Amino acid sequence: EVQLVQSGAEVKKPGESLKISCTGSGNSFANHWFGWVRQMPGKGLEWMGIIYPGDTDARYSPSFQGQVTISADKSITTAYLQWSSLKASDTAIYYCATQATAPAEHFQHWGQGTLVTVSS
Amino acid sequence: DIQMTQSPSSLSTSVGDRVTITCRASQGISNSLAWYQQEPGKAPKLLLYDASRLESGVPSRFSGSGSGTDYTLTISSLQPEDVATYYCQQYYSTPRTFGQGTKVEIK
Repeated sequence: EVQLVQSGAEVKKPGESLKISCTGSGNSFANHWFGWVRQMPGKGLEWMGIIYPGDTDARYSPSFQGQVTISADKSITTAYLQWSSLKASDTAIYYCATQATAPAEHFQHWGQGTLVTVSS
Repeated sequence: DIQMTQSPSSLSTSVGDRVTITCRASQGISNSLAWYQQEPGKAPKLLLYDASRLESGVPSRFSGSGSGTDYTLTISSLQPEDVATYYCQQYYSTPRTFGQGTKVEIK
């Protein structure tokens, strides 16, 4: 069974750094892109970016470029989402997902979500 | 960026009714469209991709259609477990944008 397991909820203060993770299991994810999606409280889904663990090629939405860093470690089929200086507006649930193989590049499998709360 | 506009933003209808949700792209996306279901408090789940291909395990009461810029998700007979918010997403170009969502409730 394909599974994506995300790291647990985080409570941080503005200005702090954070790195959350998403680990794939149950199948080989070596040839799949991992993506990140933000859902702010009571709001819709926002596509943040994707990364190919095989060569760490990353693509960002212009809305998130420079605000976050997406990375990956293919040896442990894990993708990461990182902030260097959190803001209160980063409070949200963050989902990871694996992208299906081209040309049908939808998000096929989803993680359970990581709640990030940023508050002073 | 390609803008995705869903309508309606919410609807309330009876069990057994037919439900139709539309999604319009700001430019043609060549059927590169997926539909997701997000039940309250849960992660999104893939329903359909390539506009009309049903994901394995998804009930056949869900179907998709459309072409060019206009796409539709249909639930042929609404069930209580279908209470959720539904999102379309284009994967024709990066960034792969989502619609704003349609909340479906039971009357």
